[in-house]
Amino acid sequence: GQNIDQPTEMTATEGAIVQINCTYQTSGFNGLFWYQQHAGEAPTFLSYNVLDGLEEKGRFSSFLSRSKGYSYLLLKELQMKDSASYLCAATDSNYQLIWGAGTKLIIKP
Amino acid sequence: ETGVTQTPRHLVMGMTNKKSLKCEQHLGHNAMYWYKQSAKKPLELMFVYSLEERVENNSVPSRFSPECPNSSHLFLHLHTLQPEDSALYLCASSRALAGEGGELFFGEGSRLTVL
Repeated sequence: GQNIDQPTEMTATEGAIVQINCTYQTSGFNGLFWYQQHAGEAPTFLSYNVLDGLEEKGRFSSFLSRSKGYSYLLLKELQMKDSASYLCAATDSNYQLIWGAGTKLIIKP
Repeated sequence: ETGVTQTPRHLVMGMTNKKSLKCEQHLGHNAMYWYKQSAKKPLELMFVYSLEERVENNSVPSRFSPECPNSSHLFLHLHTLQPEDSALYLCASSRALAGEGGELFFGEGSRLTVL
């Protein structure tokens, strides 16, 4: 079957580090996306991982393990503006994306 | 500003009405998409167009009818909708197909309420 799992909600403190996990199972897999969506706004692209390993992009990093069907998004030096939903999406054999329901991240001062 | 514009931003309609959602992209992308977003649910892909041809149609009820007159415009025609169709409808575009790694650029969405 095809499935994506990510936590529904997480809370973290301003200035801290948070890791949002995503596990996936698809019929065929090419790569995994992370998108950010602020309340009432459109999702925006954060990262796309094809190969195993960690890719760093400023305060945000994304990790992929193809053998484990696992990814995470790492956010460092959290800021209040990072409060948003983070969507994980994996490609499948029909060239579609299978989406998770999103992780709502709440940042507290 | 993502380069993808959707109108209207909000729409309230009765079950017997006919309305249309419009999407326009100014990015020169080849692929355009309609997604449905309901609270606490994954994004649901409705339709995909690549080079103005429909390439995916995910068992969407016939009361939703897409139209792609050119590579910059995409419409979603709505007819005799049900209250459970109330949701945020997102349009997106990409240079390459999303399943091939194409980054999606989303519009702000059209919030639809069916009474």
